[in-house]
Amino acid sequence: KAGVTQTPRYLIKTRGQQVTLSCSPISGHRSVSWYQQTPGQGLQFLFEYFSETQRNKGNFPGRFSGRQFSNSRSEMNVSTLELGDSALYLCASNGQGYSGANVLTFGAGSRLTVL
Amino acid sequence: GQQLNQSPQSMFIQEGEDVSMNCTSSSIFNTWLWYKQDPGEGPVLLIALYKAGELTSNGRLTAQFGTTRKDSFLNISASIPSDVGIYFCAGRFQGAQKLVFGQGTRLTINP
Repeated sequence: KAGVTQTPRYLIKTRGQQVTLSCSPISGHRSVSWYQQTPGQGLQFLFEYFSETQRNKGNFPGRFSGRQFSNSRSEMNVSTLELGDSALYLCASNGQGYSGANVLTFGAGSRLTVL
Repeated sequence: GQQLNQSPQSMFIQEGEDVSMNCTSSSIFNTWLWYKQDPGEGPVLLIALYKAGELTSNGRLTAQFGTTRKDSFLNISASIPSDVGIYFCAGRFQGAQKLVFGQGTRLTINP
């Protein structure tokens, strides 16, 4: 099976811009979660999608949003970027429903730098 | 946000030494997971624990799900250079998909 694919791997934006990150989960996985990783706050949960529906949401402002498509691919969007949004954004897919597989498999992440 | 208390934050050891790290929480978790993250990559799952008291090994790695369900530890025996990286514990509440992560243990090995 191919792993979790995230694009782009690196990107640089300026304050006030918006950004869209993409994630393709492992084939057959229907749950996709997003996490933000920063040196100060560590790994923080953003949201989780299952069958195109947001099931859970972390404690982030409304500038952070996401969606999931019928093929389980997911995107997350951050609008009106702030310096503090600089982070590694990690996507993880979950083989929910498979015996012993209710764990998250992470992609390599998209590193966002906001200038 | 809610986080686990992971310790130590960093370790500097000699190659061949054994390593121990642990996570504690004030909350009860249904699942404990241990991940390793290399520079520029996402976390990779090392061990998953599903039952209180469970002791699971993966090669030189051994992890245990604490009996109180509020803690877990990871041991690495006979460390080698490729063990260098950041190790994260993560807990999941029953019925939830969200993981709560520890702050990580950065392992450095002197050859």
